[in-house]
Amino acid sequence: EPEVTQTPSHQVTQMGQEVILRCVPISNHLYFYWYRQILGQKVEFLVSFYNNEISEKSEIFDDQFSVERPDGSNFTLKIRSTKLEDSAMYFCASSAWTGAAGELFFGEGSRLTVL
Amino acid sequence: AQSVTQLDSQVPVFEEAPVELRCNYSSSVSVYLFWYVQYPNQGLQLLLKYLSGSTLVKGINGFEAEFNKSQTSFHLRKPSVHISDTAEYFCAVSESNTDKLIFGTGTRLQVFP
Repeated sequence: EPEVTQTPSHQVTQMGQEVILRCVPISNHLYFYWYRQILGQKVEFLVSFYNNEISEKSEIFDDQFSVERPDGSNFTLKIRSTKLEDSAMYFCASSAWTGAAGELFFGEGSRLTVL
Repeated sequence: AQSVTQLDSQVPVFEEAPVELRCNYSSSVSVYLFWYVQYPNQGLQLLLKYLSGSTLVKGINGFEAEFNKSQTSFHLRKPSVHISDTAEYFCAVSESNTDKLIFGTGTRLQVFP
């Protein structure tokens, strides 16, 4: 069964460092998402991406964050200068259609620890 | 603004007992409703969703949920749970004009033998 894969599964970084989290969505999907879950808190929407541009983003997704689909298969989330509060599990998701009719398929997550 | 409330952070239950995980939402417009399950060290997996039509929705693994518009609820139920149902369950809502999901805080279902 096709699945969304994420790398790395766990990354530890120093505050102020740049981090890139990578995702390989399901191959025929067109809509891509990043969500995050701070330990003990709810899963939060960060950004949605379609046709090589951001379609929607939350207030969490400030100038420190960026997304890219560099080569038609990978979908990356970059955090330019990490802060302690960026420590969380980051989930990538993809969907064949937009809107709620399109089921989101989630990856297993990348755990980011900022020291 | 939309919000989702899952009142129970943990639900312990014995195997083969029935279970209900509660979810209430608030929204000023029509919504779509979802339940996702997260098994240990895995991603979120869709259990079921309500878009329109019948208010009783059946999902995978024997789960079902009922949409109640007047009570703004979407409680998840299973008549007889199994040890393998031990997981975190998330209720989520999406408004019809967006593909952003708003999640609840999750309910940890712990099934004991």
